[in-house]
Amino acid sequence: DTGVSQDPRHKITKRGQNVTFRCDPISEHNRLYWYRQTLGQGPEFLTYFQNEAQLEKSRLLSDRFSAERPKGSFSTLEIQRTEQGDSAMYLCASSFSQRDADEQFFGPGTRLTVL
Amino acid sequence: AQKITQTQPGMFVQEKEAVTLDCTYDTSDPSYGLFWYKQPSSGEMIFLIYQGSYDQQNATEGRYSLNFQKARKSANLVISASQLGDSAMYFCAMNTGNQFYFGTGTSLTVIP
Repeated sequence: DTGVSQDPRHKITKRGQNVTFRCDPISEHNRLYWYRQTLGQGPEFLTYFQNEAQLEKSRLLSDRFSAERPKGSFSTLEIQRTEQGDSAMYLCASSFSQRDADEQFFGPGTRLTVL
Repeated sequence: AQKITQTQPGMFVQEKEAVTLDCTYDTSDPSYGLFWYKQPSSGEMIFLIYQGSYDQQNATEGRYSLNFQKARKSANLVISASQLGDSAMYFCAMNTGNQFYFGTGTSLTVIP
C-alpha cells in the first residue's frame, strides 16, 4: 500500500492525558498537512510542513498541540493535557509541491475520543 | 470570516442526471487554488478536481467539471450522469498562501 497511512486509527483517552499520532506520507511527497474534522464539519487546517520545515500553523493549534516532521518523512502530532473538545478525527494529507494543483492525498484519519 | 461557503447542506439527484454543487469563496489574494473533495461514508477524502486562479479554462476530470466564475468568486462542481456511488459528502476547498480552507460540505444522495 503506497497511500498515506496513519496510526493509530482509533484512540480513546482520559481527559488530561497526552496522545501522539503518527502519519506516514506518500514517499515522494514533500508536503505534509494535519487537519482536524469534527462531525458534520469540513476539515480544519492545523499545520503544514514542507520537508522538515513547519511553514504554517493555524491559530486553532494551541500550545497544547505540537507537530514534528524530523527527517522530512513521517510526522507526529502530539496533544498534551487532552480536553473533551479535542475529540475529533485527525486527518493527515501529503502532496508533491512541484505540481501546480498541490493535490492532497489524505490518510484514513485517527479518531480521538477524550473521556 | 468564512473563506469557503457551501450553502446546500443536502442535495438529491436522480441517477443519470446532472447535479451542481455550489461553492463560493472569499480571498483578496490574486493567487489561489480551488479544490473539490469527495468523502464517502467510509471517511476517506478523495480528490476530485482542481482549478487555479489563473486558469483560463474550466477544469474537467471525467464526469466532474468545475464552473469557475472568478468575478462572482464561485467554483461550482458539476457532476454529470450521476451514479449511485456518487452518494457522499462533497467539500469545496481553497488554498491561498500557506493556508487551506474547507467548506462545511454538501451531502449528495443519488436516487435510483
